[in-house]
Amino acid sequence: LAKTTQPISMDSYEGQEVNITCSHNNIATNDYITWYQQFPSQGPRFIIQGYKTKVTNEVASLFIPADRKSSTLSLPRVSLSDTAVYYCLVGPGNSGGYQKVTFGTGTKLQVIP
Amino acid sequence: GAGVSQTPSNKVTEKGKYVELRCDPISGHTALYWYRQSLGQGPEFLIYFQGTGAADDSGLPNDRFFAVRPEGSVSTLKIQRTERGDSAMYLCASSLGGGAHTDTQYFGPGTRLTVL
Repeated sequence: LAKTTQPISMDSYEGQEVNITCSHNNIATNDYITWYQQFPSQGPRFIIQGYKTKVTNEVASLFIPADRKSSTLSLPRVSLSDTAVYYCLVGPGNSGGYQKVTFGTGTKLQVIP
Repeated sequence: GAGVSQTPSNKVTEKGKYVELRCDPISGHTALYWYRQSLGQGPEFLIYFQGTGAADDSGLPNDRFFAVRPEGSVSTLKIQRTERGDSAMYLCASSLGGGAHTDTQYFGPGTRLTVL
């Protein structure tokens, strides 16, 4: 499984756009990139998933360059409720019928009033 | 619809005791996962079920840990002779299964286990 590297923590003011970059230099051809959000004492929550270029949903955007060795999660206009830990995961698609994902330590985002 | 539920939400036990943690997956989800999360760390994979069978139990730390899913729905994680190092948040997740690359895992709220 591809190892990921993310910043340990980030601070941002309310209303700003936040970009969290994840490095995954040894990503495999059939790997997808998935981001989860986790609040204290809760289970992780799926945010977004992508394979290449750009993916956008109602919560975030995911930017993946052509070499796919990194990805950037973009959160528009963050609010205090976005304070959480964000995990970048890289895992095999269509591999034995399931995704055995490996979570790193994640990025702790602190949104400041 | 209902999400993944886990019971109990908190469990305090004494060293050496046996504990069972329960997970109710989302209805219709054939895949079920157990993870363990220590403070300040990301979730650590323990075991994966596809239907009733444990397809991958490579994450179970030792033979004190065991999990079952007899009818392909509810799963129970069992820990024998608990040790203080077993104290952690135990998370369960389920997904549709079937091998799709977009097979998103949905997590439950977790069970916080404390071994005294």
